[in-house]
Amino acid sequence: SQQGEEDPQALSIQEGENATMNCSYKTSINNLQWYRQNSGRGLVHLILIRSNEREKHSGRLRVTLDTSKKSSSLLITASRAADTASYFCATPTGGTSYGKLTFGQGTILTVHP
Amino acid sequence: GAGVSQSPSNKVTEKGKDVELRCDPISGHTALYWYRQSLGQGLEFLIYFQGNSAPDKSGLPSDRFSAERTGGSVSTLTIQRTQQEDSAVYLCASRVGYEQFFGPGTRLTVL
Repeated sequence: SQQGEEDPQALSIQEGENATMNCSYKTSINNLQWYRQNSGRGLVHLILIRSNEREKHSGRLRVTLDTSKKSSSLLITASRAADTASYFCATPTGGTSYGKLTFGQGTILTVHP
Repeated sequence: GAGVSQSPSNKVTEKGKDVELRCDPISGHTALYWYRQSLGQGLEFLIYFQGNSAPDKSGLPSDRFSAERTGGSVSTLTIQRTQQEDSAVYLCASRVGYEQFFGPGTRLTVL
């Protein structure tokens, strides 16, 4: 079963705008990770936030984590056409740090030039 | 090589045939995972190898699926008597620290 539920399922924006994607999960976690997937193939790790962190930045990415609401958000600022991809949140199962990942259903982001 | 590699990139087979999918992880990564991605099921965990420990096979959907990892490096996922519902992209990942590095996947089509 999918641990994470993401919304929106699809997001279409213009270049330069910000994109926000949300993820909810059901069980306790050690960390939450965000991945990007281009063209339905390999996933690329974007950022990891630990359960004791509330916010983390990496370049144009900002991730927040609210463990009380069991939710996370990924913000991409000043989007570019190259950001067009599917974005997934993922959590290691069983409250572990390194276990198998359970993925959300993903958000398909389209950035129009 | 710099990343995880998988072969073949595409595989078309007939229902009932066996297939083998290969994964070459990043050198030195002791943890290796197989996932599959299909339209109806999203990204699903299949099996996990960690060093010399017994693999976690809890995600394998049936006994037609098996995997092995030789010498702590290359892994092969075998699907016997393929069915049309096995059609999916099969992704391999190896891990260092918390981060999993994914290969480009093998797209399996069962006719």
